[in-house]
Amino acid sequence: KNQVEQSPQSLIILEGKNCTLQCNYTVSPFSNLRWYKQDTGRGPVSLTIMTFSENTKSNGRYTATLDADTKQSSLHITASQLSDSASYICVVSARTGAGSYQLTFGKGTKLSVIP
Amino acid sequence: KAGVTQTPRYLIKTRGQQVTLSCSPISGHRSVSWYQQTPGQGLQFLFEYFSETQRNKGNFPGRFSGRQFSNSRSEMNVSTLELGDSALYLCASSLRETQQGPPGELFFGEGSRLTVL
Repeated sequence: KNQVEQSPQSLIILEGKNCTLQCNYTVSPFSNLRWYKQDTGRGPVSLTIMTFSENTKSNGRYTATLDADTKQSSLHITASQLSDSASYICVVSARTGAGSYQLTFGKGTKLSVIP
Repeated sequence: KAGVTQTPRYLIKTRGQQVTLSCSPISGHRSVSWYQQTPGQGLQFLFEYFSETQRNKGNFPGRFSGRQFSNSRSEMNVSTLELGDSALYLCASSLRETQQGPPGELFFGEGSRLTVL
């Protein structure tokens, strides 16, 4: 069964500090991995999409890494800001055959940045 | 360029009623997918439509249904509402050129928050 596990479930950090969120998956065959940011009461917004051949991808202060061998990804946030307070969701796409794909969602990490 | 628009944003229903939610995708996007989000289960895939055809369906009972119109706008319907249907329902559109191939980047709407009493 395809699964995506995220850790930690929640995290509190001081403004200006860095943090790393983890995503482990057992999805196969792997197509791509996505990170989304979801502010409270809003829809998710895409941060990065990584394919099998990409190890690192950055979007401003957000840097995602992917290790397809160990089936792990991380999202590193540098110099955190209060606006980074949100849930971060890891999503893995798998090919199910005949051109169809399935998205498996993690339950997210809730990040709180405090002054 | 306008984003994905979902209506209504909030609604309250009672058990046994039915509800219809609407989603207008980004102009030019032919793929629309629907998701249910609850605190306990996170985001769960409901179904995806491409050019008025349902091309993928999640593991939800038949009370959940949807459709897509020729202008790519989509609706989802939930009949015989249960308390457990209370959730944030999210719609996403993507720029998919053909019916095959991986889903492109998803652009989500703000969601419709349904409360069932």
